[in-house]
Amino acid sequence: GAGVSQSPRYKVAKRGQDVALRCDPISGHVSLFWYQQALGQGPEFLTYFQNEAQLDKSGLPSDRFFAERPEGSVSTLKIQRTQQEDSAVYLCASSPRTSGITDTQYFGPGTRLTVL
Amino acid sequence: GDSVTQMEGPVTLSEEAFLTINCTYTATGYPSLFWYVQYPGEGLQLLLKATKADDKGSNKGFEATYRKETTSFHLEKGSVQVSDSAVYFCALSEGGNNRLAFGKGNQVVVIP
Repeated sequence: GAGVSQSPRYKVAKRGQDVALRCDPISGHVSLFWYQQALGQGPEFLTYFQNEAQLDKSGLPSDRFFAERPEGSVSTLKIQRTQQEDSAVYLCASSPRTSGITDTQYFGPGTRLTVL
Repeated sequence: GDSVTQMEGPVTLSEEAFLTINCTYTATGYPSLFWYVQYPGEGLQLLLKATKADDKGSNKGFEATYRKETTSFHLEKGSVQVSDSAVYFCALSEGGNNRLAFGKGNQVVVIP
């Protein structure tokens, strides 16, 4: 079956531009996570959704970062007024069930954002 | 907060050699532990996991044992192949939402 997909795969933005990154999770998966992976580092947690509810946004680095999942499936991560330090690979992951159960997270291929 | 530490630097070894990648963790509770692998040009994939102390996760010839007494989850494989060349990440799940905290990763290069 289809895995997690993300678009675009690559995005180049000029400093100050707004960008929107899309994630299509595996159909029926309740939980959705966003992570940020800087070059040479491990992924770092940004935010978590259970269906359409954003239950944890403690990892978002600033108020320029915003995520939504309005219908409990597709999610969008938006970054306003991009800065060079936002350059990273943004990973989306989904898992079948809700919190309290250690489910496998299935990762998408990521979107590589470069801010010039 | 909870965190994971992986040994520094890339690992280069010959085909059929023994592989060990060290991973230690710091956690206030009892996290689940994972190894994820990223093959060249591909996304992160779960390699194996262990959910409680003394559990052994295994897959594709790789093994790791959840050691509570040493807070470790070292990855081992007895005989590596060129196809095992990848970046390996140790991770733990934390919090009620099972978000993952990753180590920095280790690049493994297997030469024929």
